[in-house]
Parts: sequence; C-alpha cells; structure tokens
Amino acid sequence: KAGVTQTPRYLIKTRGQQVTLSCSPISGHRSVSWYQQTPGQGLQFLFEYFSETQRNKGNFPGRFSGRQFSNSRSEMNVSTLELGDSALYLCASSLSGTGTDTQYFGPGTRLTVL
Amino acid sequence: EDQVTQSPEALRLQEGESSSLNCSYTVSGLRGLFWYRQDPGKGPEFLFTLYSAGEEKEKERLKATITKKESFLHITAPKPEDSATYLCALNAGNNRKLIWGLGTSLAVNP
Repeated sequence: KAGVTQTPRYLIKTRGQQVTLSCSPISGHRSVSWYQQTPGQGLQFLFEYFSETQRNKGNFPGRFSGRQFSNSRSEMNVSTLELGDSALYLCASSLSGTGTDTQYFGPGTRLTVL
Repeated sequence: EDQVTQSPEALRLQEGESSSLNCSYTVSGLRGLFWYRQDPGKGPEFLFTLYSAGEEKEKERLKATITKKESFLHITAPKPEDSATYLCALNAGNNRKLIWGLGTSLAVNP
C-alpha cells in the first residue's frame, strides 16, 4: 500500500509570494491533517479536513488555507509569504480522523522563504 | 490545559547502553497516546499506540509502556541506526486534535 505523498519536496520562495503544497493520502484514508514543524516549536497543527470539509483549525493566520478534494487529496496554500513561514510542512492521513486512529505522515515539503 | 512534556530533550548513548525516554502528560480523559520516530528532514514514522494504563507494546529493541501520568519508551541495547528524534503525541477528551511533545533527540554512538 502506497504511503502518504507530498509534492513538491522542496520549495524556495521570496517574501510576498504565495505557495501551494499538495498531499495525497493513503488509499482509503479520508482525513488529512497539516502541520508546520520548526526547530524548537515542534509540530504545530494547521488544520484537518475530512470529506472535503475543514473540521479543525489551529492558531494560524488567515494566510494559511487549505482544501480537500473528493478523492481525499488535499492542498494547502500560504499567501503573502513571510520569512517566519520557512519550515517543514507535514501532511498526515488517517482513516477517520477521530483522534484515536493512527496518523501516517508524508515526507514533508521543506519551504524556504528568502 | 492539556500538556505533554518529553524528557530528556537530548540523550547520547553508547551502542548497547539501554535507556528510557519519558513522556509525561496532564490531560482529562486520555483516549490514545502515540509514539513516533523522526529522522532529520523526514516525516514522523509511527511506532506505537497505547490506549490505557498498564498497556505495553514492543517492536524490536523498543518497548512502550504507559501509566496514568506518563509513558516510557524503553530502548534496549540500542544501535547507531536508532539515532533519531522520538515524538510523543496524545489525544484526550472530545478533541480530535493531537497534542504533541517537543521530542527527545537520541544519538547512539558506535
């Protein structure tokens, strides 16, 4: 069974630009969660989607948005990039996103903002 | 407020030197505790899920245990390839979100 895939793996952008990251969950998984990971801050929850609906949202500004498609694939978008947005962005999928089912992570997208 | 604390922040062991990593928590209504391993620049890799006090899970050199206030990840006779950051996360109450610890960075010297 294929794992969670994320594209692209690496991105370099400049301040003010916008970026879109993509995530394909494990087949059959309907919940997709996004996290931002920076040194010292650990994994920060961005949002979670289930059946094309955002069910949970973390404490991030409105510049961070996402969506989920009918095939459970998900995208996240960051507009008006800031230097502090440089991070590893991780996508995780789970069967139902109840909180007790296991989340499986993709390899991440490393975003560098110059 | 629900909290997860991992200790130590960093640990250096010699190959074969067994030790334990700690994940302590203050939550209401624990529903599940997860251990992950993360290599630099990669996504976390799932290791174990524990659901209630007294439960134990084992895989190769790793063994996870849990009480009402903390969980331990025991590493027996570690090898250099066990070097990684080990993350603890838990779900509690009616919240579907996971609460994450900051991790323990483990280095095993040959």
